[in-house]
Amino acid sequence: DQQVKQNSPSLSVQEGRISILNCDYTNSMFDYFLWYKKYPAEGPTFLISISSIKDKNEDGRFTVFLNKSAKHLSLHIVPSQPGDSAVYFCAASKETSGSRLTFGEGTQLTVNP
Amino acid sequence: DGGITQSPKYLFRKEGQNVTLSCEQNLNHDAMYWYRQDPGQGLRLIYYSQIVNDFQKGDIAEGYSVSREKKESFPLTVTSAQKNPTAFYLCASSMRSETQYFGPGTRLLVL
Repeated sequence: DQQVKQNSPSLSVQEGRISILNCDYTNSMFDYFLWYKKYPAEGPTFLISISSIKDKNEDGRFTVFLNKSAKHLSLHIVPSQPGDSAVYFCAASKETSGSRLTFGEGTQLTVNP
Repeated sequence: DGGITQSPKYLFRKEGQNVTLSCEQNLNHDAMYWYRQDPGQGLRLIYYSQIVNDFQKGDIAEGYSVSREKKESFPLTVTSAQKNPTAFYLCASSMRSETQYFGPGTRLLVL
């Protein structure tokens, strides 16, 4: 039962343009969402998060949008840079499970110079 | 400087052998986690511990064991009962109900 799903295994964009990574979830009990970035053979690094009481959170070039009615979140990167090329994972948690996370499958982002 | 360390970076296991992966953190985090990543898949939770001397099974605990005798340390043993151990293993830690931070990972290969 895949409760967090990233339907696009890969995304390719030009440097300077916007990257939009999408994530869907099925469990309405999830109330906290995170995005992680991962390079090959390294651990994921935390990028940005959003609580279910918000619909948008912004940090520099990164913005996460949450649509609770659609059970959908997205990560926008503007402008995209070649160093952003990595696998991006979305993750979700619910207050009743503490900080236990459920991850999506990941999306490989490639930013072309 | 503070962080999470995992050792070794690469580990080889022979058939029928138990191996132990190390995870240490000096962030004073209460909670620690073990995940497994397979190619093309997300991270799957093996075990987690929210406090010393206590731990819970995650989604794929079969064939694995853990201990949490010290706050800083959460070693994972891959037992011979784990029939498909080849994967990238990631350890993470967090304060309770806060963002998890990950170590660099250990790649386990079967000889």
